Formats: sequence, C-alpha cells, structure tokens
Amino acid sequence: AQKVTQAQTEISVVEKEDVTLDCVYETRDTTYYLFWYKQPPSGELVFLIRRNSFDEQNEISGRYSWNFQKSTSSFNFTITASQVVDSAVYFCALSDNGPRGGGFKTIFGAGTRLFVKA
Amino acid sequence: DVKVTQSSRYLVKRTGEKVFLECVQDMDHENMFWYRQDPGLGLRLIYFSYDVKMKEKGDIPEGYSVSREKKERFSLILESASTNQTSMYLCASSFYVGGRNTIYFGEGSWLTVV
Repeated sequence: AQKVTQAQTEISVVEKEDVTLDCVYETRDTTYYLFWYKQPPSGELVFLIRRNSFDEQNEISGRYSWNFQKSTSSFNFTITASQVVDSAVYFCALSDNGPRGGGFKTIFGAGTRLFVKA
Repeated sequence: DVKVTQSSRYLVKRTGEKVFLECVQDMDHENMFWYRQDPGLGLRLIYFSYDVKMKEKGDIPEGYSVSREKKERFSLILESASTNQTSMYLCASSFYVGGRNTIYFGEGSWLTVV
C-alpha cells in the first residue's frame, strides 16, 4: 500500500533561515511519481514540483531545492533564506503507476505548516 | 490554463440530506479525484476515476459515492449527510501520462452538515 509521511506538523523559523521539510514515502511500485504542493492561507493548492522514480537528480529552483533519495524513500524540500511569503502548508504526494502506465492514484501526506516570522 | 471548477464554494446541509458536489475540468484529463481536507489529516482520497464510468475507491470511501458520466465531469454524492462529513472537499484532475500527470485542483467546497 502507498503511504506518505510528513512527520513535521509545524515548523517555525525566522526570516532568512533555511528550512527543510521532510517527506518519507512507501510504495511497492517501481515506477511512481512524487510531488510537492504549497497551500498558502488563501487556500488554493499550488504545484511546486514533480519527480518520477527514475530521476534521482536533485533539483533547484530559485530558493527551493529538492533532495530525492530512493535508498531512504525520502523526498525532502528545502527553502533557503526563507521569507514571510513562504508561510503556508506544504504537502508531499505520491502517485502510483496506473493501469495505463501513467500517474494514477495519488495520495498526500498530512502536510507541514510552515511559519516564517519577520 | 487548466481549470477545475467546483460548483459550490460553501454549502450548509442538514443531517440525512443527499448532497451533490459537482466538478468540471476543461483540459480533457483522464484522471479525476475527490479529496477531503481536515486539519491535521491533510488530504485524504475519497474516490478517483481514470475514465468515463470508471471509479476506484480511495482511502475513505465510506458514506460517499461518485458518478462520471462524461469525461469532464466528476460528481461526489453524500447519500445521507452526517455531521462527521463536515469538511472541505477538493476536486482534482490530471493526465494519466506519466510525464504530464501533475494534479490540478479546484478551489474547494466547504460543506457544513448541521
């Protein structure tokens, strides 16, 4: 069965600090997809990144970076030099390889609420 | 831009009522999903569908049913609403093709059952 665990319920940092959000997943599939979404106070879910299981290359996008390690089934998200606007709930998600060979059932972790104080 | 539209943003229903939550997407996506979001529990998958008339149970299907008569429309049905179904409901859609399977969400429907 698939499972996504975000053990950190809430994190509070001061602006300009670096912060890492942890995500650990479980799946029996050899092909799967991992995602991070941001949910700011306004409520809409904003897509941040998608990774497939064959691509373990880490990715950097501005102040955001992601560390995917299959050996530990982790897909951690780091925000460098955090800003107040980064305050949000962040969700990690896992999509299996469906009957047609593409992304299918997608489950989410419980989310990590990040507070960035000025 | 992908658009996932949920018909009602806020609803208040009475216990025992039958409730319909409608969702429409305009990107010809094969996959559609219904989640509910509750504090501390994140998004939990209720039902999903990868084709017209196809449906699969998610992790918490009890008390819910779904209908997908057309590719663009996915309806969530609460046969007899109960107070523990008070929640925010999120509809989403995606392509099934792995390289394009980003999930897009609607704005959510806040349901209160009294």
